[in-house]
Amino acid sequence: LAKTTQPISMDSYEGQEVNITCSHNNIATNDYITWYQQFPSQGPRFIIQGYKTKVTNEVASLFIPADRKSSTLSLPRVSLSDTAVYYCLVGDGWDAGNNRKLIWGLGTSLAVNP
Amino acid sequence: EAQVTQNPRYLITVTGKKLTVTCSQNMNHEYMSWYRQDPGLGLRQIYYSMNVEVTDKGDVPEGYKVSRKEKRNFPLILESPSPNQTSLYFCASSWAGATNEKLFFGSGTQLSVL
Repeated sequence: LAKTTQPISMDSYEGQEVNITCSHNNIATNDYITWYQQFPSQGPRFIIQGYKTKVTNEVASLFIPADRKSSTLSLPRVSLSDTAVYYCLVGDGWDAGNNRKLIWGLGTSLAVNP
Repeated sequence: EAQVTQNPRYLITVTGKKLTVTCSQNMNHEYMSWYRQDPGLGLRQIYYSMNVEVTDKGDVPEGYKVSRKEKRNFPLILESPSPNQTSLYFCASSWAGATNEKLFFGSGTQLSVL
């Protein structure tokens, strides 16, 4: 089964770049890597998704090396409002309908300080 | 605005009193799902639906029921709630349930069963 490993927590300061690395050694050939953000008592929100190399959007960048066994979410110039839990997701097994599943781990709790 | 709407936001009930948490999406998504989130356990899938009248068990379905009579609605039913169902519940939807699709989450329902 694919499993993701990411740091439990990270601290940063406003204006800094934050990089959160996730390892997924057993990622399947067809699986994408997806990152979500969750604020307290709110539902997770999609941030970014990629398959290989680099993906960038208005919120973040995602770096994926050639072997795809890890990925790094990069948040440029974080602010206090980026304090949240960040989840790295890949496919993990199959559900009853033979659809690929996503397993949510505990994520990385990012604290941005003034 | 594209959104997933859950109601109620907070619910306190007593053991054995049937309750329903509603979920509605306005994006014409085929796939809808329910999760519960507990400290230290992450998000766990309860039930999901690939389309109208098609529902399947997730990882923790015991004690829950769902129905999908209309595409936009996917209510979660607890026929005889117990204290171990005290949790934060999220409804989510996506186009067709593939893992490379963006999942849209509701704001959550905090349920307390006394």
